[in-house]
Amino acid sequence: NAGVMQNPRHLVRRRGQEARLRCSPMKGHSHVYWYRQLPEEGLKFMVYLQKENIIDESGMPKERFSAEFPKEGPSILRIQQVVRGDSAAYFCASSNLPAGQRGGLYEQYFGPGTRLTVT
Amino acid sequence: AQSVAQPEDQVNVAEGNPLTVKCTYSVSGNPYLFWYVQYPNRGLQFLLKYITGDNLVKGSYGFEAEFNKSQTSFHLKKPSALVSDSALYFCAVRDTPNGGDNAGNNRKLIWGLGTSLAVNP
Repeated sequence: NAGVMQNPRHLVRRRGQEARLRCSPMKGHSHVYWYRQLPEEGLKFMVYLQKENIIDESGMPKERFSAEFPKEGPSILRIQQVVRGDSAAYFCASSNLPAGQRGGLYEQYFGPGTRLTVT
Repeated sequence: AQSVAQPEDQVNVAEGNPLTVKCTYSVSGNPYLFWYVQYPNRGLQFLLKYITGDNLVKGSYGFEAEFNKSQTSFHLKKPSALVSDSALYFCAVRDTPNGGDNAGNNRKLIWGLGTSLAVNP
């Protein structure tokens, strides 16, 4: 069973360009989470999605950032008009909630991350 | 408000000695607690979790953690450290913004800032 896949692993963008980060969750997982890791700040939650739904986007900046998890295909984190402050490692995680089971599993399995550098 | 604290930025320990990485938490309901590890240039990996049951939880790579409700702590431990254990360790608690044990479909975790563990040969 393949783990969480993220691509690209490294992404370099000039200021003002768009960055698109992709995340394919583990097989059978329908919950996806995006985190940003800035130097000296640890991991920060950005957004939590289920298929075709954004459940919690309280950690995502209101402007320039958007996320989706379509019915088919990977989850996409999109950053428009990137600035130097967007340079960070972006991690995606997925989890599974067994059908009909109250509570379920809370482990989140992480991808290797995408390191975004804005020049 | 829910929160997690890792009071030590860095822990240094000699190989073969026991190690402890500290974590304290604050939640409104019963806590669901986790430890993750991040090796250099790698994503986060799940180590262990406490949901309910025995206070001593055993996880991957020989790590264990002890849940202490009275001290609101969930310290990570290993009896004998290896150089390969050198990494960044994160403690996390499941967010229960409305209190209680079931926050619906919200699976957001609240994270500590991480503790860098250096095991010296």
